[in-house]
Amino acid sequence: GENVEQHPSTLSVQEGDSAVIKCTYSDSASNYFPWYKQELGKRPQLIIDIRSNVGEKKDQRIAVTLNKTAKHFSLHITETQPEDSAVYFCAALPSGAGSYQLTFGKGTKLSVIP
Amino acid sequence: NAGVTQTPKFQVLKTGQSMTLQCAQDMNHEYMSWYRQDPGMGLRLIHYSVGAGITDQGEVPNGYNVSRSTTEDFPLRLLSAAPSQTSVYFCASSYLRSQETQYFGPGTRLLVL
Repeated sequence: GENVEQHPSTLSVQEGDSAVIKCTYSDSASNYFPWYKQELGKRPQLIIDIRSNVGEKKDQRIAVTLNKTAKHFSLHITETQPEDSAVYFCAALPSGAGSYQLTFGKGTKLSVIP
Repeated sequence: NAGVTQTPKFQVLKTGQSMTLQCAQDMNHEYMSWYRQDPGMGLRLIHYSVGAGITDQGEVPNGYNVSRSTTEDFPLRLLSAAPSQTSVYFCASSYLRSQETQYFGPGTRLLVL
């Protein structure tokens, strides 16, 4: 089955700096990679996703890059703000009939210091 | 619409007790799933369903049962609770088409003494 490794497990940045979270996956058949943000005591919510036919996707201060050859993808947050403080999870979904099970990384706790 | 709802929000059980965690969605999603979240372990899939009457095991199914009698509801049953089942449980749902966003419920925090 799929295995997703996520690094770092914790990340502290100064407000206004950039943050980068990296994930690697093992199943070359995976072709959908969402990122979820979970604020303290809340549910995970999708913030951005990327499909394997795209190398990069941006949404305002958030971007995700995908390197299929190396089997890794990254979340980039620019101009960080205190409200970006949360736990971020990456995930991977294999393609193919009957493939609906997301495999999640263990999460990165991001702290943005004012 | 309410999205994905879960009840209860918080529950304390004694070892050996049984209970059912409820999950419902009003988005007509075919796919529903249960995850448990433990510190440092991320989200681990317990069971999932691709439609009424169809369920399958995920990564950590032991100690849990599920059923799917309707599209809307996907209850998770703990037959004999153990302290190792202390966790936060999330239900999620999505359309069955490939690569669709999964929507999570608010979670149930379970403490087994």
